[in-house]
Amino acid sequence: QKEVEQNSGPLSVPEGAIASLNCTYSDRGSQSFFWYRQYSGKSPELIMFIYSNGDKEDGRFTAQLNKASQYVSLLIRDSQPSDSATYLCAVNRDGNQFYFGTGTSLTVIP
Amino acid sequence: KAGVTQTPRYLIKTRGQQVTLSCSPISGHRSVSWYQQTPGQGLQFLFEYFSETQRNKGNFPGRFSGRQFSNSRSEMNVSTLELGDSALYLCASSTSGTSGTDTQYFGPGTRLTVL
Repeated sequence: QKEVEQNSGPLSVPEGAIASLNCTYSDRGSQSFFWYRQYSGKSPELIMFIYSNGDKEDGRFTAQLNKASQYVSLLIRDSQPSDSATYLCAVNRDGNQFYFGTGTSLTVIP
Repeated sequence: KAGVTQTPRYLIKTRGQQVTLSCSPISGHRSVSWYQQTPGQGLQFLFEYFSETQRNKGNFPGRFSGRQFSNSRSEMNVSTLELGDSALYLCASSTSGTSGTDTQYFGPGTRLTVL
């Protein structure tokens, strides 16, 4: 079983819609959870992190964490073409190793 | 605060050669991790260093090695290059590498092409 699993997509949404990205993790001891955005040919860029159950909002982005169900999600409101990228979910269990999903490719259609 | 820097940004080598990549973490960050990323593959963990010690190692052959210096800068070395080593090599740093709430920040990466 993989540490972190994501649907590889591709996920396509029209401009202005809400994009919903999901991620599940296997280790209940995981303590912190991250979403990175990666444009083609570029390095991952941190978008958000979340530690506690519930929602965390930052601008158009909302991260949701449900530790009981072991899933993390990222909602992108008012999606823009510039949001088209691969989104990586990551978990930190004990600080010295981060586990990454394989990423979900998002395309926002103008 | 300056971000993670990696040098060189691009490298072209031939099979059998060796290569050394460098990473300077964010000031104050003591943990440095290295990843390999190839098309169609996710981020594959190579190794992690903290206080000049390798604490974790991924499932890569011994041709891949690394080290960390006292100023937290890190290098990774790949010997006897193979075509399959062509990839984007990413370095990421975090504060202590001992807390479950640490956050990793990535450098721009080194694009290695093996001919």
